[in-house]
Formats: sequence, C-alpha cells, structure tokens
Amino acid sequence: DAKTTQPNSMESNEEEPVHLPCNHSTISGTDYIHWYRQLPSQGPEYVIHGLTSNVNNRMASLAIAEDRKSSTLILHRATLRDAAVYYCILRRASGGSNYKLTFGKGTLLTVNP
Amino acid sequence: KAGVTQTPRYLIKTRGQQVTLSCSPISGHRSVSWYQQTPGQGLQFLFEYFSETQRNKGNFPGRFSGRQFSNSRSEMNVSTLELGDSALYLCASSLAPLAGVTDTQYFGPGTRLTVL
Repeated sequence: DAKTTQPNSMESNEEEPVHLPCNHSTISGTDYIHWYRQLPSQGPEYVIHGLTSNVNNRMASLAIAEDRKSSTLILHRATLRDAAVYYCILRRASGGSNYKLTFGKGTLLTVNP
Repeated sequence: KAGVTQTPRYLIKTRGQQVTLSCSPISGHRSVSWYQQTPGQGLQFLFEYFSETQRNKGNFPGRFSGRQFSNSRSEMNVSTLELGDSALYLCASSLAPLAGVTDTQYFGPGTRLTVL
C-alpha cells in the first residue's frame, strides 16, 4: 500500500497562511490525494482532494508536486477553528469495489491567537 | 439535512462481552464505512457496506463484523471483547460506494468504547 508521511505537529499564528506538507513517494497513478481534518472530539471532515492539478475550494488549496510524490495543503488565513489534526490520505481506484484507504498519522496543527 | 448519527456515544464493557454499535447515515447516502481510531494505530478502516453488502474490508479479525439494513442504517458488532478493542469507532457515509474515489465521506461523532 502507498504510504503517506506527515510532520507530527506544526504551529501557526492566527490570520497567517499555513502550509501542511505530505510525502507519498510510492504513490501510484490511480491514487487520489485527499485531505481530511479532525477537530477535537469530532469525527474527521473532508477538506479537499486532487489527482494531478492544483485544486482550490472555500476551505483550502491543494498543491501537488509535478512528480506527485508530495503535496501541500494550504490554509490561506488560519483561524483558531482550524486547530485540528490534518490527515493526508491516498485513495486508490483499483477497479470494482476492491478499494483501499490509507490514512497517515496526521499533523497536529496548533493555531496561536 | 441531519448529519451522520452514531449510538451510543459512550459505552463501557468488560472483556469477553460483545457489543453492537449503530450508525445512521445522511439521508440519501447508501454507503457506510466503519473505522477504528486508537492513539497508537490512528485511524484504521474496518469495512464498508453498500446495498446491504460488504464491499470492502480492512485487516481486522473475524470478531469484528457488520451489517447494513435496507434503509442504509448499519450496525457493527464486536464479539469476545479484548482490552485492545478500546477505541473510538467512527462511522462515515457517502453517496456512492468507495469505488468512487472522489466521493466525500461524512463522519459521525463516533462511539467511545472502553473495555475493562
């Protein structure tokens, strides 16, 4: 299975941009890169996903390296509510319903006021 | 639209007992997945159900089982509980089976199971 590697923790100040890295050097061509985050005492929530091109949505941006061996989740202006564990996840389309999910250990983001 | 609901939210059992956890997906969602979250192992996929059929399974022993009903509600059962089964059990629903790799999963708040 393709694995992801993330820093254990990162710190940011409120209203500053945050770049959360993820390495996935063994990614395959059919792996989509998804990001979820988990706020304290809650289940994970979807943030963004992409395959090859950079992606933007109302929550964040996803920058994917040209060789796809790494990606970066970008929070443009961190707020206190963004303090959470961020998971970089590879989702593989391997045909039919034989489908594997790989969660990284996640990055604990602390946002300072 | 109501989110994913899980019951009970907290549960305490003793070793050797069995437990059943319940998950109600978002209305209209037909795929339900279960995850186990522990401090040591993080989030691990248990299994996925769609149209009352298990379509995908993680690497867990046979003591962990599940089922899905015709209204898409799902239950997860753990028999002969062990201390290591203490965890947060999360349920997630999505519109389509996980074979749809771009499908978003919506997670419930989880059931905190403590095995004494």
